[in-house]
Amino acid sequence: QMQLQESGPGLVKPSQTLSLTCTVSGGSIRNGAYYWTWIRQHPGKDLEWIGHILHSGGTYYNPSLKSRVIVSIDTSKNQFSLKLNSVTAADTAMYYCARDARYDSRGYAHDSFDIWGQGTMVTVSS
Amino acid sequence: DIQMTQSPSSLSASVGDRVTITCRASQSITTFLNWYQQKPGKAPKLLIQAASSLQSGVPSRFSGSGSGTDFTLTITSLQPEDFATYYCQQSYNTPWTFGQGTRVEFK
Repeated sequence: QMQLQESGPGLVKPSQTLSLTCTVSGGSIRNGAYYWTWIRQHPGKDLEWIGHILHSGGTYYNPSLKSRVIVSIDTSKNQFSLKLNSVTAADTAMYYCARDARYDSRGYAHDSFDIWGQGTMVTVSS
Repeated sequence: DIQMTQSPSSLSASVGDRVTITCRASQSITTFLNWYQQKPGKAPKLLIQAASSLQSGVPSRFSGSGSGTDFTLTITSLQPEDFATYYCQQSYNTPWTFGQGTRVEFK
């Protein structure tokens, strides 16, 4: 049974870079049926999709964050990572990695986030 | 971006009640709509995909319906473990977007 686990600093200073890693266990990250995704949830409860990456390295980012985000993948370690630069207090949030299943049970293209990590809280503060 | 609006933002209910949560998209998303349940301190859990397809292991008291812009999540007989926040999410166009959530509280 696949599991995802986030890791990284819980405190980042303003203007610096937030860096998180998601380690995938119980299955291969090389499976092209999935996007590997970052999602965050602000303390108020809103969920925001940050972006995703394919095993091939292809990425897509939320336009609202695109200028500051890089998602990368290391298939040899079964990990993918998030870098968000020039952070401000508005980036304080719970950060989740998740698996985006690209196809439903009938084989039709229909994305859904079917496996999530437990989340890691990141606070931006000096 | 496609805006997702849920109503109500919160509701109070009792065990055994029938609960209905509505999600409206700012444009047609056909049936590219998923529902998640989130309990305090936990990650969201996928309940329903493609508007009405129940995820494996999810109790049959949960159901989803709708297409186009209007969708509904129904819990036919609320159980103690169902008190949580529920989110809809569209997967029609990137960036994927979520509703603001509906908190189901104990009356």
